[in-house]
Amino acid sequence: DAGVIQSPRHEVTEMGQEVTLRCKPISGHDYLFWYRQTMMRGLELLIYFNNNVPIDDSGMPEDRFSAKMPNASFSTLKIQPSEPRDSAVYFCASSLEGTPRGAGELFFGEGSRLTVL
Amino acid sequence: EDQVTQSPEALRLQEGESSSLNCSYTVSGLRGLFWYRQDPGKGPEFLFTLYSAGEEKEKERLKATLTKKESFLHITAPKPEDSATYLCAVQASGTSYGKLTFGQGTILTVHP
Repeated sequence: DAGVIQSPRHEVTEMGQEVTLRCKPISGHDYLFWYRQTMMRGLELLIYFNNNVPIDDSGMPEDRFSAKMPNASFSTLKIQPSEPRDSAVYFCASSLEGTPRGAGELFFGEGSRLTVL
Repeated sequence: EDQVTQSPEALRLQEGESSSLNCSYTVSGLRGLFWYRQDPGKGPEFLFTLYSAGEEKEKERLKATLTKKESFLHITAPKPEDSATYLCAVQASGTSYGKLTFGQGTILTVHP
């Protein structure tokens, strides 16, 4: 399997513009997570889905952030309008409940580095 | 609120010099503690899951242990390729599957 695939890898945009980050999870996985990583706050969980249904979005910082999972093989994280403080690396991860190695085994993508000027 | 504190923030070792990384946690009840490795420009990569105090897991030069308040990641005779950021995460009892709280990480550098 190719692993979790994220795009774009790098995005530079200006304040006020809309940003859309994309994720393709590992085939067969039933959980999908969006995390944000910054030097100051580390890795923070934004939202996660189970079987395409949003379960917990309490980590989404503001209404400017939204996420969708229209099917089992695709998810988007949208920021509109973007602000400089949104600059971070955004990771998508997927997992399969009941994996023999136990809960917490998340498979992360390589991340999307967002810079908002 | 669940909290995870890792120390030291950074650790420099000579090749072959064994050491330990610490992860202290505060949760209402521990469902699991997890160690990840993150290389620069990459996403975290899963290493271990620990469920209960006294449990140990090993993988090559790494051994993770767990007590009721902390976990240690022991690195025996490290090599330069072990250089990475090591992240600790916890899942609290009563939380949904996969909802993890991460520490800030320890940046390990192993010099040849």
